[in-house]
Amino acid sequence: GAVVSQHPSWVICKSGTSVKIECRSLDFQATTMFWYRQFPKQSLMLMATSNEGSKATYEQGVEKDKFLINHASLTLSTLTVTSAHPEDSSFYICSARGWDKRGTQETQYFGPGTRLLVL
Amino acid sequence: AQRVTQPEKLLSVFKGAPVELKCNYSYSGSPELFWYVQYSRQRLQLLLRHISRESIKGFTADLNKGETSFHLKKPFAQEEDSAMYYCALSKSYNTDKLIFGTGTRLQVFP
Repeated sequence: GAVVSQHPSWVICKSGTSVKIECRSLDFQATTMFWYRQFPKQSLMLMATSNEGSKATYEQGVEKDKFLINHASLTLSTLTVTSAHPEDSSFYICSARGWDKRGTQETQYFGPGTRLLVL
Repeated sequence: AQRVTQPEKLLSVFKGAPVELKCNYSYSGSPELFWYVQYSRQRLQLLLRHISRESIKGFTADLNKGETSFHLKKPFAQEEDSAMYYCALSKSYNTDKLIFGTGTRLQVFP
């Protein structure tokens, strides 16, 4: 249980185009999902917190108009990188908050990540 | 500001040797601390959290508020422990935003 998927797993696009990344909780409902970005050999940096049915909360320094987040259902959040540029090339990882196996604690379950390369 | 520091980028040991991956944090409140692990070609997964006080795969970690540390330890390393380990902090117990350290790669040689 508690599986999170991401699609696509990798994408290559031209500069100026927009790219949408999906994050799905496959076997549980997640009212809260998180989007992270990871540069090579660096740590995960939280970009935004996505709440079902409401606007996302962005971290300081993250452009809202650049990284559009939509959390339309309890199992799906999307991240759209608008007008992508080469500096947006990175590894994007989502996580979904859900209950652990014993149902005693909430924890974050991570997706496998999406590698974006902007040419 | 909250910060998580993992001073070692790489830790190499031989099988059977003890392992300690260091993690220090800065936060004025009462944080929740986690260790996440990422095996080769796999996704990030939770290894353990301090409030559970569990031993997972032989690993333990004790929160030392005086030293603001949450070091990960295992008495006898195994080859399958080779992975990337991230220490993370949350400001509350409902796993709100996670702040990650830069990670330590553990290599266990046969």
